[in-house]
Amino acid sequence: DAGVIQSPRHEVTEMGQEVTLRCKPISGHNSLFWYRQTMMRGLELLIYFNNNVPIDDSGMPEDRFSAKMPNASFSTLKIQPSEPRDSAVYFCASTLDRSRTDTQYFGPGTRLTVL
Amino acid sequence: DAKTTQPPSMDCAEGRAANLPCNHSTISGNEYVYWYRQIHSQGPQYIIHGLKNNETNEMASLIITEDRKSSTLILPHATLRDTAVYYCIVRVGSGYALNFGKGTSLLVTP
Repeated sequence: DAGVIQSPRHEVTEMGQEVTLRCKPISGHNSLFWYRQTMMRGLELLIYFNNNVPIDDSGMPEDRFSAKMPNASFSTLKIQPSEPRDSAVYFCASTLDRSRTDTQYFGPGTRLTVL
Repeated sequence: DAKTTQPPSMDCAEGRAANLPCNHSTISGNEYVYWYRQIHSQGPQYIIHGLKNNETNEMASLIITEDRKSSTLILPHATLRDTAVYYCIVRVGSGYALNFGKGTSLLVTP
């Protein structure tokens, strides 16, 4: 099992540019999560998809952030335009949502730096 | 979800048992106790979870007090690779979000 795959692993961009982060969940999993980690705020949930449908996006900071899941094997998190305060590590996680006690498996993360 | 309290840091000698405490005095009857850890520069990793009974797997043991207001994660023989931040999370079984707090930074020393 390849685990959750994220790309790119590192991204450096300039303020105002569009950034797209990608995630491939574990095959067979039907729930996908995007988290953001910063020193100040720790790990925080941005959005949660179940069966490719966004269920809870209350953690998305603002309209500059958008996430899509066009199929069960791919999701994107887009920031447009990016700002320096968006610099963080972004994690994708997936789970097989049977009893809701199933564990979440995290990817290696994308370290984003906005200059 | 109930709030958890963990010590900010702990040390443990390699080969010894690491006992990481967590206080969750406001836990309700349908909330599970989860433990995750995050090794530097990696994504969080699931360790173990439980509701009432003590649990053990290949990674660790989870001891939950009878009143469920606290728990202890036990790494029986800590290695240098167990150096990480350990998060205790309380979550309802029907929930999905993992609310990571600040966790305990465990340093395993030679």
